[in-house]
Amino acid sequence: QSVLTQPPSASGTPGQSVTISCSGSSSNIGSNNVNWYQQLPGTAPKLLIYTNSQRPSGVPDRFSGSKSGTSASLAISGLQSEDEADYYCAAWDDNLGNVFGTGTKVTVL
Amino acid sequence: EVQLVESGGGLVQPGGSLRLSCAASEFTFSSHWMHWVRQAPGKGLVWVSRINSDAGTTNYADSVKGRFTISRDNAKNTLYLQMNSLRADDTAVYYCARALVGKRNIFDIWGQGTMVTVSS
Repeated sequence: QSVLTQPPSASGTPGQSVTISCSGSSSNIGSNNVNWYQQLPGTAPKLLIYTNSQRPSGVPDRFSGSKSGTSASLAISGLQSEDEADYYCAAWDDNLGNVFGTGTKVTVL
Repeated sequence: EVQLVESGGGLVQPGGSLRLSCAASEFTFSSHWMHWVRQAPGKGLVWVSRINSDAGTTNYADSVKGRFTISRDNAKNTLYLQMNSLRADDTAVYYCARALVGKRNIFDIWGQGTMVTVSS
């Protein structure tokens, strides 16, 4: 059972914005950085956002991340069909090791 | 091309053992922390274990501690996961992942995964 809680699903029409929340505690998000991963259907995860808000080379600036206290969020603006995927937050937990969020399935309507 | 390729998965009976390998190419393997992450069918990602660049430090999720052993051979650019006393709930796709150089827990490169099925 994951210690990082995400909504199971989110959706929007093309061009809309979607925000995914990630709720943790003082032992993980509250004291460590948050990373986000995108997993397209049938593929391995891909690093999307690291250290709360940094984008790796090649990730569109439509994706942005933020962190406040024991929560973090991922925002997708200008939603596109290729954004349909599962999204996971992750952080180091001082007691449990690396922990992933429960995952959010994004659907483009 | 920077790449990780897992192998060694398969069908094993409960209580059995399996050794996974992860072959790295086109980067300086010995400079990176490495991790194993698994994903049960239809479920989310679960971190399994990590090892530092010189194999001097290892960490495990509570669910595999005492049963799984992570190791690496920097001369062969290969990461391993020895899995003993396997249980049905160990059934999953196992991914190896590279951490960004200088960072321990940011997974910037992932393998394609290898399936492990524990069943009688």
